Amino acid sequence: GAVVSQHPSRVICKSGTSVKIECRSLDFQATTMFWYRQFPKQSLMLMATSNEGSKATYEQGVEKDKFLINHASLTLSTLTVTSAHPEDSSFYICSAVRDRITDTQYFGPGTRLTVL
Amino acid sequence: KNQVEQSPQSLIILEGKNCTLQCNYTVSPFSNLRWYKQDTGRGPVSLTIMTFSENTKSNGRYTATLDADTKQSSLHITASQLSDSASYICVVSALLGGADGLTFGKGTHLIIQP
Repeated sequence: GAVVSQHPSRVICKSGTSVKIECRSLDFQATTMFWYRQFPKQSLMLMATSNEGSKATYEQGVEKDKFLINHASLTLSTLTVTSAHPEDSSFYICSAVRDRITDTQYFGPGTRLTVL
Repeated sequence: KNQVEQSPQSLIILEGKNCTLQCNYTVSPFSNLRWYKQDTGRGPVSLTIMTFSENTKSNGRYTATLDADTKQSSLHITASQLSDSASYICVVSALLGGADGLTFGKGTHLIIQP
């Protein structure tokens, strides 16, 4: 099966700092990666779609200048939460697909972000 | 607006018992429906995927059903084990059925007690 990793698994930071989260597809090339945010007892909420070599597409209400996404290669996408605030504390999950039209999303294990 | 409603919100059963989780959707045009298992603090893992023409699909002790006419799906867990404790998420795909156009349910939080 396809494996997607995320790093770090947990991060605690001070308010105002920036945090970078990495998402890697370990055994396949991902044409597209997705970033989700999940609050406790809530469903996953899509934040943005990331295609290798192009700008990310953000969902309505998600600030692109606050959540910077870089999909530099077919196996790596990064999400940087800039000037983090306590309300940004959440569980961030990425997923990767080989083929955006037909393939299943393979989810990473998630990153728990706590902003103090 | 596309929606996916899951019930119950939470469920507690004894180890060894069976249970059924429900998913109702209003996603259109429908392409496929997936059930995911999400352990606490982990990413979702796919259990089953069903397209319009499929009524049932099994994965070990997990059996999913789909009624495309009533837009309902269920996930039946047989002989539950402690490791089944998790959130189960129903995800319905519209349009071309790929990675785009997904609507997530809020999940059913299942607790298996010894």
